[in-house]
Parts: sequence; C-alpha cells; structure tokens
Amino acid sequence: NAGVMQNPRHLVRRRGQEARLRCSPMKGHSHVYWYRQLPEEGLKFMVYLQKENIIDESGMPKERFSAEFPKEGPSILRIQQVVRGDSAAYFCASSNPYRGNTEAFFGQGTRLTVV
Amino acid sequence: GENVGLHLPTLSVQEGDNSIINCAYSNSASDYFIWYKQESGKGPQFIIDIRSNMDKRQGQRVTVLLNKTVKHLSLQIAATQPGDSAVYFCAETRYSGGYQKVTFGTGTKLQVIP
Repeated sequence: NAGVMQNPRHLVRRRGQEARLRCSPMKGHSHVYWYRQLPEEGLKFMVYLQKENIIDESGMPKERFSAEFPKEGPSILRIQQVVRGDSAAYFCASSNPYRGNTEAFFGQGTRLTVV
Repeated sequence: GENVGLHLPTLSVQEGDNSIINCAYSNSASDYFIWYKQESGKGPQFIIDIRSNMDKRQGQRVTVLLNKTVKHLSLQIAATQPGDSAVYFCAETRYSGGYQKVTFGTGTKLQVIP
C-alpha cells in the first residue's frame, strides 16, 4: 500500500557498517510492525511498536538490532555492525488497532544487501 | 503461528481452475483472520478478512472459509488467473492488553500455469 513509505528501497552496506531503515506509517496510524523476509520464505515478526513505546520485541535479535518509533518522525529499524546474514527484505506495516480495524498496511520493503 | 525460516510450500494450478489455499492456526482467542497476497518484489497486500464469529465470507473471486472446530482457514480463488501468482499469507489478530497484534502464518506460493 502506497500509504506506508519505507526508505530506502535498496540498501547496500559493507560488513561492520550500520544500517538504518525508515518507515513512515499511514496517516493516523499509531502502531508499526517490522518483519524480516528471506528469499522464498515467509514473514518473520521482529518488533511491534506504538509511538514512544515498544509493545513486543520478542522477534528481535538480542544484539545489534534496535527499533524505535518516536513521537515525531518515522519508525527506525537500526542494525549495527551488519553481517552477511542480515541480508534480507525488511517490511514495515502500520495499523490503527483502536478503531477495531484489523488491516495492517505494508510498505514496499527495504532490501538490505551486506557485502 | 509465526513462520520461523521455513521454505514456502507451492501450489500449482491451471489457469481457469479454482485454487484452494489452506492455513492452520493455533490461537483460539483470535478476533480476526486475514489473507494477504504478496507479489514478487512487493509488500503484502490485504485481500480479505473474516471475523472469528463467522464461517464464510465472499469477495470478488475470493472466498474465505473458517472452521473453528479444527482451527482451519482457507482461501478459495475462483477461475485462477496468471495475475494471481503470488505468495499468500494467512494472519490472525488478537486484541489484548490494549493492542491488536497481527501474527502471520507460513505462506503458500501459488503458481498459475497458463
């Protein structure tokens, strides 16, 4: 859905560098999910955030990965000291659960390649 | 439940035939079940959802069936077209503690044979 904006669409990083992935949710949406997807595989849940609050980070690796969703600005997924195994597509979705609307709208993803 | 690094099962269907994609779920407390379609290189797109107190819902060329007794969800696509080739994910949502979390299933790759 064009309403959720992720950037960059493609990101190349050398091993050891930092990767910052941005997600701007749909207007009026207060919740953001981050998912990771390897080629020919499903979506692996990473983290679920509300503005200024992490609701569920049970899918996040304990080291090198962090996520935030500040009061102002996009949600950021940050990967420090990237390794080749971090290469994947990272998708963000946003929702507004307080309205009882189940639909989570996805962005087009950021494809991270670690060289 | 959540996919953890499993390769996608594939369903091959002849163009014009009906497709049935299945999904098993484990959470009896889910409020809604949703089907998403993901085309190559794109993010998942919402197709149709069904509330947990329903057993059938129809959309345009798609029907979702929910069998709570065996915890099974299916997506039926009528007269499958080449444009239906994609990966299809089922998802469940549960409203708990003030939040509605969406959890995805493994996914099925649909290949339409012209």
